[in-house]
Amino acid sequence: DQQVKQNSPSLSVQEGRISILNCDYTNSMFDYFLWYKKYPAEGPTFLISISSIKDKNEDGRFTVFLNKSAKHLSLHIVPSQPGDSAVYFCAASGNTGKLIFGQGTTLQVKP
Amino acid sequence: DAGVIQSPRHEVTEMGQEVTLRCKPISGHDYLFWYRQTMMRGLELLIYFNNNVPIDDSGMPEDRFSAKMPNASFSTLKIQPSEPRDSAVYFCASSFDEKLFFGSGTQLSVL
Repeated sequence: DQQVKQNSPSLSVQEGRISILNCDYTNSMFDYFLWYKKYPAEGPTFLISISSIKDKNEDGRFTVFLNKSAKHLSLHIVPSQPGDSAVYFCAASGNTGKLIFGQGTTLQVKP
Repeated sequence: DAGVIQSPRHEVTEMGQEVTLRCKPISGHDYLFWYRQTMMRGLELLIYFNNNVPIDDSGMPEDRFSAKMPNASFSTLKIQPSEPRDSAVYFCASSFDEKLFFGSGTQLSVL
Protein backbone atom coordinates (compact mmCIF):
# COMPACT_ATOMS: atom_id res chain seq x y z
CA ASP A 1 0.00 0.00 0.00
CA GLN A 2 1.68 3.15 -1.27
CA GLN A 3 1.06 5.96 1.25
CA VAL A 4 2.98 8.49 -0.83
CA LYS A 5 2.39 8.51 -4.57
CA GLN A 6 4.03 10.29 -7.46
CA ASN A 7 1.86 9.41 -10.40
CA SER A 8 4.07 10.92 -13.10
CA PRO A 9 7.16 8.77 -13.70
CA SER A 10 8.73 11.42 -15.90
CA LEU A 11 8.53 15.07 -16.91
CA SER A 12 10.29 16.99 -19.66
CA VAL A 13 10.48 20.80 -19.77
CA GLN A 14 12.40 23.42 -21.67
CA GLU A 15 15.18 25.37 -19.99
CA GLY A 16 13.86 28.58 -18.45
CA ARG A 17 10.30 27.31 -18.08
CA ILE A 18 8.55 26.14 -14.92
CA SER A 19 8.76 22.51 -13.74
CA ILE A 20 5.89 21.27 -11.58
CA LEU A 21 6.24 17.95 -9.82
CA ASN A 22 3.27 16.50 -7.98
CA CYS A 23 2.81 14.21 -5.01
CA ASP A 24 -0.23 12.76 -3.23
CA TYR A 25 -0.45 11.12 0.17
CA THR A 26 -3.09 9.10 1.95
CA ASN A 27 -2.14 9.21 5.62
CA SER A 28 -3.67 12.22 7.41
CA MET A 29 -1.18 11.75 10.26
CA PHE A 30 1.68 12.96 8.08
CA ASP A 31 2.75 16.42 9.28
CA TYR A 32 6.09 17.04 7.58
CA PHE A 33 6.89 16.78 3.91
CA LEU A 34 10.17 16.84 2.04
CA TRP A 35 11.53 16.75 -1.47
CA TYR A 36 14.76 14.98 -2.32
CA LYS A 37 16.78 15.12 -5.51
CA LYS A 38 18.81 12.21 -6.84
CA TYR A 39 21.49 12.13 -9.51
CA PRO A 40 22.61 8.81 -11.08
CA ALA A 41 25.02 6.76 -8.95
CA GLU A 42 24.48 9.06 -5.96
CA GLY A 43 22.26 8.97 -2.91
CA PRO A 44 19.25 11.28 -2.65
CA THR A 45 19.97 14.74 -1.21
CA PHE A 46 17.57 16.97 0.69
CA LEU A 47 16.09 19.82 -1.36
CA ILE A 48 13.25 21.54 0.49
CA SER A 49 10.65 20.78 3.14
CA ILE A 50 7.35 22.04 4.52
CA SER A 51 5.50 21.59 7.78
CA SER A 52 1.78 20.92 7.81
CA ILE A 53 1.18 24.26 9.55
CA LYS A 54 2.24 26.04 6.37
CA ASP A 55 0.93 25.93 2.81
CA LYS A 56 4.00 27.29 1.05
CA ASN A 57 7.75 27.30 1.49
CA GLU A 58 10.19 28.97 -0.86
CA ASP A 59 13.94 28.59 -1.28
CA GLY A 60 15.41 30.35 -4.26
CA ARG A 61 14.11 28.77 -7.46
CA PHE A 62 12.31 26.04 -5.50
CA THR A 63 8.86 26.38 -3.95
CA VAL A 64 6.82 23.67 -2.29
CA PHE A 65 3.06 24.01 -1.97
CA LEU A 66 0.93 21.96 0.42
CA ASN A 67 -2.83 21.43 0.12
CA LYS A 68 -3.81 19.50 3.24
CA SER A 69 -7.47 19.12 2.34
CA ALA A 70 -6.52 17.47 -0.94
CA LYS A 71 -3.56 15.62 0.60
CA HIS A 72 -1.44 16.97 -2.21
CA LEU A 73 1.86 18.74 -2.49
CA SER A 74 3.82 20.07 -5.41
CA LEU A 75 7.32 21.28 -6.14
CA HIS A 76 7.79 24.22 -8.49
CA ILE A 77 11.14 24.97 -10.06
CA VAL A 78 11.40 28.37 -11.74
CA PRO A 79 13.30 28.87 -13.95
CA SER A 80 14.30 25.30 -14.75
CA GLN A 81 17.94 24.66 -15.61
CA PRO A 82 19.62 21.67 -17.29
CA GLY A 83 21.41 20.92 -14.00
CA ASP A 84 18.00 20.31 -12.42
CA SER A 85 17.66 17.12 -14.48
CA ALA A 86 17.42 14.36 -11.88
CA VAL A 87 14.98 12.08 -10.10
CA TYR A 88 12.84 13.90 -7.55
CA PHE A 89 11.38 12.04 -4.59
CA CYS A 90 8.56 13.27 -2.42
CA ALA A 91 8.59 12.08 1.21
CA ALA A 92 6.36 12.37 4.26
CA SER A 93 6.66 11.73 7.97
CA GLY A 94 4.36 11.67 10.98
CA ASN A 95 5.17 11.20 14.63
CA THR A 96 6.80 7.79 14.20
CA GLY A 97 10.15 9.11 13.01
CA LYS A 98 10.14 7.22 9.76
CA LEU A 99 10.16 8.85 6.34
CA ILE A 100 7.98 7.36 3.59
CA PHE A 101 9.00 8.08 0.01
CA GLY A 102 7.14 8.09 -3.28
CA GLN A 103 8.22 6.31 -6.45
CA GLY A 104 10.06 9.31 -7.85
CA THR A 105 9.66 11.50 -10.94
CA THR A 106 12.45 11.81 -13.48
CA LEU A 107 12.80 15.42 -14.61
CA GLN A 108 14.58 16.25 -17.84
CA VAL A 109 15.30 19.91 -18.57
CA LYS A 110 16.19 20.43 -22.21
CA PRO A 111 18.59 23.24 -23.21
CA ASP B 1 32.38 14.65 8.32
CA ALA B 2 32.59 12.32 5.31
CA GLY B 3 28.86 11.71 5.26
CA VAL B 4 27.15 8.33 5.33
CA ILE B 5 29.52 5.68 4.05
CA GLN B 6 28.28 2.48 2.45
CA SER B 7 30.21 -0.53 1.24
CA PRO B 8 30.53 -2.13 -1.15
CA ARG B 9 29.41 0.21 -3.95
CA HIS B 10 28.66 -2.76 -6.19
CA GLU B 11 28.00 -6.38 -5.35
CA VAL B 12 27.45 -9.16 -7.84
CA THR B 13 26.62 -12.56 -6.43
CA GLU B 14 24.95 -15.80 -7.35
CA MET B 15 21.55 -16.89 -6.19
CA GLY B 16 21.71 -18.64 -2.83
CA GLN B 17 24.77 -16.80 -1.59
CA GLU B 18 24.85 -14.62 1.52
CA VAL B 19 25.19 -10.89 0.97
CA THR B 20 26.20 -8.35 3.63
CA LEU B 21 25.85 -4.62 3.08
CA ARG B 22 27.58 -2.21 5.43
CA CYS B 23 26.88 1.32 6.60
CA LYS B 24 28.66 3.92 8.70
CA PRO B 25 26.28 6.74 9.68
CA ILE B 26 27.19 10.35 10.32
CA SER B 27 28.59 10.83 13.80
CA GLY B 28 25.99 12.21 16.20
CA HIS B 29 22.99 11.01 14.23
CA ASP B 30 20.72 8.83 16.34
CA TYR B 31 18.51 7.44 13.57
CA LEU B 32 19.63 4.99 10.90
CA PHE B 33 17.50 3.80 8.01
CA TRP B 34 17.85 1.12 5.33
CA TYR B 35 15.99 1.73 2.06
CA ARG B 36 15.74 -0.21 -1.17
CA GLN B 37 15.18 1.54 -4.49
CA THR B 38 13.15 -0.19 -7.19
CA MET B 39 11.44 1.17 -10.29
CA MET B 40 7.99 0.11 -9.13
CA ARG B 41 8.07 1.20 -5.51
CA GLY B 42 10.67 3.94 -5.49
CA LEU B 43 12.47 4.25 -2.16
CA GLU B 44 11.08 1.52 0.06
CA LEU B 45 11.84 1.65 3.79
CA LEU B 46 13.11 -1.71 5.03
CA ILE B 47 14.01 -1.02 8.67
CA TYR B 48 15.09 1.82 10.92
CA PHE B 49 16.96 2.13 14.19
CA ASN B 50 16.92 4.74 16.94
CA ASN B 51 19.92 4.78 19.28
CA ASN B 52 20.99 1.39 17.87
CA VAL B 53 17.62 -0.22 18.65
CA PRO B 54 15.43 -1.52 15.79
CA ILE B 55 12.17 0.44 15.88
CA ASP B 56 10.26 -0.75 12.83
CA ASP B 57 11.20 -3.67 10.61
CA SER B 58 7.79 -4.05 8.96
CA GLY B 59 9.32 -3.23 5.59
CA MET B 60 11.74 -6.15 5.62
CA PRO B 61 10.39 -8.32 2.82
CA GLU B 62 11.13 -11.77 4.20
CA ASP B 63 12.99 -13.65 6.90
CA ARG B 64 15.88 -13.84 4.48
CA PHE B 65 16.59 -10.21 5.34
CA SER B 66 18.11 -9.18 8.64
CA ALA B 67 19.72 -5.99 9.95
CA LYS B 68 21.87 -5.19 12.93
CA MET B 69 23.32 -2.11 14.55
CA PRO B 70 25.88 -3.26 17.11
CA ASN B 71 27.01 0.30 17.88
CA ALA B 72 26.31 3.91 16.92
CA SER B 73 28.83 3.89 14.08
CA PHE B 74 28.03 0.70 12.20
CA SER B 75 25.11 -1.20 10.73
CA THR B 76 24.72 -4.21 8.44
CA LEU B 77 21.95 -5.48 6.21
CA LYS B 78 22.22 -9.19 5.43
CA ILE B 79 20.39 -11.25 2.84
CA GLN B 80 20.65 -15.02 3.23
CA PRO B 81 20.01 -16.70 0.87
CA SER B 82 19.92 -14.09 -1.87
CA GLU B 83 17.54 -14.31 -4.84
CA PRO B 84 17.49 -12.55 -8.24
CA ARG B 85 14.47 -10.46 -7.18
CA ASP B 86 16.63 -8.90 -4.46
CA SER B 87 18.57 -7.08 -7.16
CA ALA B 88 18.22 -3.34 -6.45
CA VAL B 89 20.07 -0.36 -5.04
CA TYR B 90 20.18 -0.40 -1.25
CA PHE B 91 20.62 2.90 0.57
CA CYS B 92 21.55 3.62 4.13
CA ALA B 93 20.61 6.98 5.64
CA SER B 94 21.08 8.66 9.00
CA SER B 95 19.51 11.65 10.71
CA PHE B 96 18.97 13.52 13.96
CA ASP B 97 15.73 15.18 12.76
CA GLU B 98 13.38 14.73 9.82
CA LYS B 99 16.10 15.41 7.25
CA LEU B 100 17.84 12.24 6.18
CA PHE B 101 21.36 12.10 4.82
CA PHE B 102 21.91 9.24 2.40
CA GLY B 103 24.94 7.23 1.45
CA SER B 104 25.80 6.57 -2.19
CA GLY B 105 24.11 3.19 -2.11
CA THR B 106 25.06 -0.40 -2.89
CA GLN B 107 24.07 -1.72 -6.32
CA LEU B 108 23.25 -5.38 -5.74
CA SER B 109 22.94 -7.83 -8.61
CA VAL B 110 21.94 -11.40 -7.84
CA LEU B 111 22.43 -13.69 -10.82
